Amino acid sequence: DARVTQTPRHKVTEMGQEVTMRCQPILGHNTVFWYRQTMMQGLELLAYFRNRAPLDDSGMPKDRFSAEMPDATLATLKIQPSEPRDSAVYFCASGLVRANEAFFGQGTRLTVV
Amino acid sequence: GENVEQHPSTLSVQEGDSAVIKCTYSDSASNYFPWYKQELGKRPQLIIDIRSNVGEKKDQRIAVTLNKTAKHFSLHITETQPEDSAVYFCAAVTGANNLFFGTGTRLTVIP
Repeated sequence: DARVTQTPRHKVTEMGQEVTMRCQPILGHNTVFWYRQTMMQGLELLAYFRNRAPLDDSGMPKDRFSAEMPDATLATLKIQPSEPRDSAVYFCASGLVRANEAFFGQGTRLTVV
Repeated sequence: GENVEQHPSTLSVQEGDSAVIKCTYSDSASNYFPWYKQELGKRPQLIIDIRSNVGEKKDQRIAVTLNKTAKHFSLHITETQPEDSAVYFCAAVTGANNLFFGTGTRLTVIP
């Protein structure tokens, strides 16, 4: 049963610390999305990759957030420095361009204190 | 980018009644419209989808309709059951294959 895998599942960190979240897309998928979910904002798109190339990161705060795909099996989302307002659940999703459907990982629940 | 609006934000129905959730989109090039269900503490999962060349699609108790001219689409759940209680998200996939979500509808089915 192929699944998107995210690590860590939970992260508590102090304000100002660097946070790195990792995502392993389903093997063979060529699109990867990062979303942030808060109670008020629903699923907010942060970044979109196709064939490892970043196509859209307009929703991501550029001063502190960065997203990369060093290879086809790993996507990372980094926050440096973290702030309390970054507290949310961060989801990664992967899919195939031709099929459109996106499969979600279980999310990383980030708490910045 | 695409702007997807979703209404209502919360919806309560009696068990057995129908529930309708409505969404609008802004990018006329969007061509695929999935609906996701998210149960408490879990990941969103696809429940039904519709492509722009189709006006309606049904799968047992759920159905989706699409009006391309008006740029709106809806989710219909009939004979609701308590296990239908969840947050439902509509979404639109643009010509660039980017995936934008609405803000979600929290559905509560009252036994």
